[in-house]
Amino acid sequence: GAGVSQSPSNKVTEKGKDVELRCDPISGHTALYWYRQSLGQGLEFLIYFQGNSAPDKSGLPSDRFSAERTGGSVSTLTIQRTQQEDSAVYLCASSRRQGAVGTEAFFGQGTRLTVV
Amino acid sequence: DAKTTQPPSMDCAEGRAANLPCNHSTISGNEYVYWYRQIHSQGPQYIIHGLKNNETNEMASLIITEDRKSSTLILPHATLRDTAVYYCIVRATGGSYIPTFGRGTSLIVHP
Repeated sequence: GAGVSQSPSNKVTEKGKDVELRCDPISGHTALYWYRQSLGQGLEFLIYFQGNSAPDKSGLPSDRFSAERTGGSVSTLTIQRTQQEDSAVYLCASSRRQGAVGTEAFFGQGTRLTVV
Repeated sequence: DAKTTQPPSMDCAEGRAANLPCNHSTISGNEYVYWYRQIHSQGPQYIIHGLKNNETNEMASLIITEDRKSSTLILPHATLRDTAVYYCIVRATGGSYIPTFGRGTSLIVHP
């Protein structure tokens, strides 16, 4: 597809369960970002991947959160032992590369996670 | 990256120009101004960016003051579909960059 694709679009899970959220970036984009947005709030940065470099995990809120990016393309965000405060829309974005002008980020439509 | 300040909300009549201001008084010489918007229940969408010259594309115009301490995003003929939260971001070239979104301006376009 032409844009960033995220799946599932909606996920309802029970408290304590693990969830995996998937992001397919735009082909050829080397930078990939995960954000989350709680209801009525701004975007909160979680983690950033750039090429083969070590990811910037500075935004992950706890060790229950992790992410990987396989083959420099698809990324999976995993939340272990989900809590109700994890309920939010999780957004993925990608961009061509870092350190240059015009590297605007393109966002997916997000995964709405509800922990019950 | 420099911080930005935007009004929390604005409204505009359909068909009129919407002028959204952004202050970035601590902007550095190598920092660009980017604008995104987020329509309800969608991911943010890139609109436009510039360094010091005014820019125009099919979506909007960006006017940057001569001292670069502020800018205005102009939607020349706002429609109801332009109702969204608009984010102004400044970023430097070089190195890694993580877009940091503030609270933005909630623009409501009314009939």
